[in-house]
Amino acid sequence: GAGVSQTPSNKVTEKGKYVELRCDPISGHTALYWYRQSLGQGPEFLIYFQGTGAADDSGLPNDRFFAVRPEGSVSTLKIQRTERGDSAVYLCASSSGTGLNTEAFFGQGTRLTVV
Amino acid sequence: QQQVKQSPQSLIVQKGGISIINCAYENTAFDYFPWYQQFPGKGPALLIAIRPDVSEKKEGRFTISFNKSAKQFSLHIMDSQPGDSATYFCAARPSGSARQLTFGSGTQLTVLP
Repeated sequence: GAGVSQTPSNKVTEKGKYVELRCDPISGHTALYWYRQSLGQGPEFLIYFQGTGAADDSGLPNDRFFAVRPEGSVSTLKIQRTERGDSAVYLCASSSGTGLNTEAFFGQGTRLTVV
Repeated sequence: QQQVKQSPQSLIVQKGGISIINCAYENTAFDYFPWYQQFPGKGPALLIAIRPDVSEKKEGRFTISFNKSAKQFSLHIMDSQPGDSATYFCAARPSGSARQLTFGSGTQLTVLP
C-alpha cells in the first residue's frame, strides 16, 4: 500500500482480555514506531524497531505490553490483561531510516476501548 | 516529565488571519523539530520541520521560527483558512540512537469562515 496501514480501525474489548493490533508499514521502511495517543493529548512513544529488533522499548508502560516485528515488516502490538486505562488510539509510524530530516509517516491508528 | 511544552491549548482565528502556536523544549539533545497536523480520525501528518542550524523555514503559508538560545520554536500559519482547522502538534527528536519523537500536548485550531 501507499501508506501505513493499521488494523483494526476500532477495537472494543472487555477488561482482562488480550488484544493484538497490527501495523503494515510503508514498503521498504526499516524503522517502525508505536505511539499511544490519549484523548486530547499528543502521541506518546512506546517502542521503536530497526529491522526485526526492538531498538528502544523504554516507552512500554509495563510488562502487559509487548510488540514484535518478526520479518522486519509487519508489526504487532500485543496487550495482555487489558485495563480500562489502556483505552487510547494506538498509532504506528514508519520511516526509511533514522538519519537527519528523515520523515516518519503515521497510520490512521487503532482506537482501543476497554470496557 | 514533559519535555516539550505547547501553547495555546486552543486557538480561534478569523479567515485570513495569522495563527501562531508556540513550543518550548528542555532537552538540548533535540536536533529535529517537526510540526504535525492531525484531523479527527486520522493520524498525524508532517507539515513542516526545522533543524537548529537555521532560525526560520518557510513552506507556502507555513513558517517555523526557531530560537535556539531560548529553546523555543513556533509555527505561523499565514492567511489562515477554514480547511486549516485541525489539531497541531509540535515535536522534537534527539540526535543519537534514540530517534523517537517527543510531542507537545497539541493545539486545536479553529479558523472561522
